[in-house]
Amino acid sequence: GQNIDQPTEMTATEGAIVQINCTYQTSGFNGLFWYQQHAGEAPTFLSYNVLDGLEEKGRFSSFLSRSKGYSYLLLKELQMKDSASYLCAARNTDKLIFGTGTRLQVFP
Amino acid sequence: SAVISQKPSRDICQRGTSLTIQCQVDSQVTMMFWYRQQPGQSLTLIATANQGSEATYESGFVIDKFPISRPNLTFSTLTVSNMSPEDSSIYLCSVIGQGKETQYFGPGTRLLVL
Repeated sequence: GQNIDQPTEMTATEGAIVQINCTYQTSGFNGLFWYQQHAGEAPTFLSYNVLDGLEEKGRFSSFLSRSKGYSYLLLKELQMKDSASYLCAARNTDKLIFGTGTRLQVFP
Repeated sequence: SAVISQKPSRDICQRGTSLTIQCQVDSQVTMMFWYRQQPGQSLTLIATANQGSEATYESGFVIDKFPISRPNLTFSTLTVSNMSPEDSSIYLCSVIGQGKETQYFGPGTRLLVL
């Protein structure tokens, strides 16, 4: 079967670091995506990992372990504008299977 | 990156009617998809829009309810047929970028069925 798990909600303080975890089970795995979605808007692409390891892109980094079916998104130097939902999605062949999303609230 | 536009951006429809949503991409893309995001939920894949052939539907979605056209590599339509309030949702078009390392979403069509 296919299953993507991530926490429903997280809170953090401005300037802090937060790690959002995602575990997945899917056949035909072909990459792990992270998206940011602000309320009322479409998802915005953040990162793509297909090989094990850490991909760093400014304040955001994404990690993948294929053997463990595990990924995380790391957000550094949090800003108020980072308050949003973060969606983990595993690619099965060419199709993206989404988790339920993690709603992150950043407080001053 | 691919620029995707959708029309209409939002609509309010009566039960039993149908609405066709258009998706236009600024470049030719091989893979196009239609997703649904119900209120407070994550995204669910409806179907893959195939150019020149019938769309490939996911479990729980059928062609009679969600007919899809893809006449060329830059355009697709999704029709929501015989609508009910349960069809109230955001419908999003999505494409895979060159190299398959990115996948982009259109701005979405917000549908409310009364």
